Amino acid sequence: GESVGLHLPTLSVQEGDNSIINCAYSNSASDYFIWYKQESGKGPQFIIDIRSNMDKRQGQRVTVLLNKTVKHLSLQIAATQPGDSAVYFCAENIDDKIIFGKGTRLHILP
Amino acid sequence: NAGVTQTPKFQVLKTGQSMTLQCAQDMNHEYMSWYRQDPGMGLRLIHYSVGAGITDQGEVPNGYNVSRSTTEDFPLRLLSAAPSQTSVYFCASSYTSTGGTEAFFGQGTRLTVV
Repeated sequence: GESVGLHLPTLSVQEGDNSIINCAYSNSASDYFIWYKQESGKGPQFIIDIRSNMDKRQGQRVTVLLNKTVKHLSLQIAATQPGDSAVYFCAENIDDKIIFGKGTRLHILP
Repeated sequence: NAGVTQTPKFQVLKTGQSMTLQCAQDMNHEYMSWYRQDPGMGLRLIHYSVGAGITDQGEVPNGYNVSRSTTEDFPLRLLSAAPSQTSVYFCASSYTSTGGTEAFFGQGTRLTVV
């Protein structure tokens, strides 16, 4: 089975609120993780990444948290906007293979 | 514009036909990969390459071949198309597989096998 998965297939968030998208992984050898955003009809777009020697990394309005103890990864989006509506994927590097999870659809409520 | 270019964007094949999906990048990236995405699913890794002359299998390599004769190009060949290969195919590139720089995806090739 897949070693990367997501807890919720769909997440609905009020515009302006913060969004938290979660991801679990099972391969303790994974040393690099990436979050991607995919809008309808387009290819995935890189959002942010984190190496296994880090716990947290921040970008513009996004933060990725890595908890190696429980093999959990999360993506936090601050002040969610309509343009954030998309499917979000976490992915992990296992021996040069970038393996994707199934994705979470983020739905923005007006 | 710089980036990853995939051709064609759409293709219909008959069962048993062969074809090559093209992927080219002009960013001098070493790492390139091919994925397929089925409806409502995530992306599954078909093949990848860490540099020219080097290729390796991903999660779902059966029925597909790749080659990497140059840094820029990474074509994906379907040997004998089957309906189960109906999917959207994405090519991606980055400097390495372990980050430091952004990874780029092409816009995809939508393949239908009838």
